[in-house]
Amino acid sequence: DAKTTQPPSMDCAEGRAANLPCNHSTISGNEYVYWYRQIHSQGPQYIIHGLKNNETNEMASLIITEDRKSSTLILPHATLRDTAVYYCIVNNAGNMLTFGGGTRLMVKP
Amino acid sequence: NAGVTQTPKFQVLKTGQSMTLQCAQDMNHNSMYWYRQDPGMGLRLIYYSASEGTTDKGEVPNGYNVSRLNKREFSLRLESAAPSQTSVYFCASTSLDRNYGYTFGSGTRLTVV
Repeated sequence: DAKTTQPPSMDCAEGRAANLPCNHSTISGNEYVYWYRQIHSQGPQYIIHGLKNNETNEMASLIITEDRKSSTLILPHATLRDTAVYYCIVNNAGNMLTFGGGTRLMVKP
Repeated sequence: NAGVTQTPKFQVLKTGQSMTLQCAQDMNHNSMYWYRQDPGMGLRLIYYSASEGTTDKGEVPNGYNVSRLNKREFSLRLESAAPSQTSVYFCASTSLDRNYGYTFGSGTRLTVV
């Protein structure tokens, strides 16, 4: 599976959009981009995933560049409860998820 | 609909003791996984079961065994616990098409003294 690069930490003001970047320059054609988050010491929570097109659900939006070498997870109106570690994972649907270090997002009042 | 249930939530073992971590899912998922997470680190895959009746090693299988008891249950056994196995253990499950991602349990916090 392709590796990903994420900034180790980011801050965001409460109520503002949080834009979390992810580079995956070695992604192959059949690999999806998945995003998970882990709040404090809870189990990771699935957020969203996509292959080529941008995706949106009730939690977030996922923007994938046309060349698929990078993506951005957008939390449109961050709240204090969105403070968590966010993991970007690229993966073939038939393989196991491999977690990297993620981005620690701190939402501040 | 409970999702993925792990028991126990907390456990303290002495070096050399054995124990089994239990995991059950009620979502009719085919695939189940065991991860460990050390402080400040990402999750690492221990073992997985792609479908009932099959199990395979992940990244860090040494010191562990697993059993896929049926489609719902996937247990992780430590035969002789070591301090290096102090960690938080997460079980996860997913359907074959993975359209809804993995569902994780709330974890078992294990300390080996």
